[in-house]
Amino acid sequence: NAGVMQNPRHLVRRRGQEARLRCSPVKGHSHVYWYRQLPEEGLKFMVYLQKENIIDESGMPKERFSAEFPKEGPSILRIQQVVRGDSAAYFCASSPPLTREQYFGPGTRLTVT
Amino acid sequence: GIQVEQSPPDLILQEGANSTLRCNFSDSVNNLQWFHQNPWGQLINLFYIPSGTKQNGRLSATTVATERYSLLYISSSQTTDSGVYFCAVEYTGGFKTIFGAGTRLFVKA
Repeated sequence: NAGVMQNPRHLVRRRGQEARLRCSPVKGHSHVYWYRQLPEEGLKFMVYLQKENIIDESGMPKERFSAEFPKEGPSILRIQQVVRGDSAAYFCASSPPLTREQYFGPGTRLTVT
Repeated sequence: GIQVEQSPPDLILQEGANSTLRCNFSDSVNNLQWFHQNPWGQLINLFYIPSGTKQNGRLSATTVATERYSLLYISSSQTTDSGVYFCAVEYTGGFKTIFGAGTRLFVKA
């Protein structure tokens, strides 16, 4: 069984560009979480999604950030007009519906120059 | 919101030693997980343990939900155990998962 897949693994963007991060959950998992990790820090919750629904986005910055988990295809975390402070590792996790036990992908390391 | 505190923040062990990591949380939780982030940044599931005790090889964990703490035991530590150990909780009545700041472990050969 494939685990959680994230791509790209590394992404470099100039200030003002858009960044799109993709997450394919474990097959059969219907829940996706996105987290951000700054160097030497813990993980900060951003958003929790089910297929076609945002359940909890209380950790998402109000502007420039959006997330979706469509009926078909991967979950997407989109960051518009990136700034240097967006440089971080972004992790996605998925869980089955009943337990919400989370399994993490390898992360996408975003660098904004 | 819920507070999650891990101790100790840093730990250095000689290979073969045992250790106990602690996670305290300030409110009732639905779920609790322990993760190991290895030096390459990958997060590895160790335990899903909202209550009770589980064992997996040299690792075991106990959560006492009524007293709002969880313990992770590492026995006969190995250099490959080095990394950061995180406790993460989902509190009752919400969906947000809160991570502790982690315990950074270094095991010396």
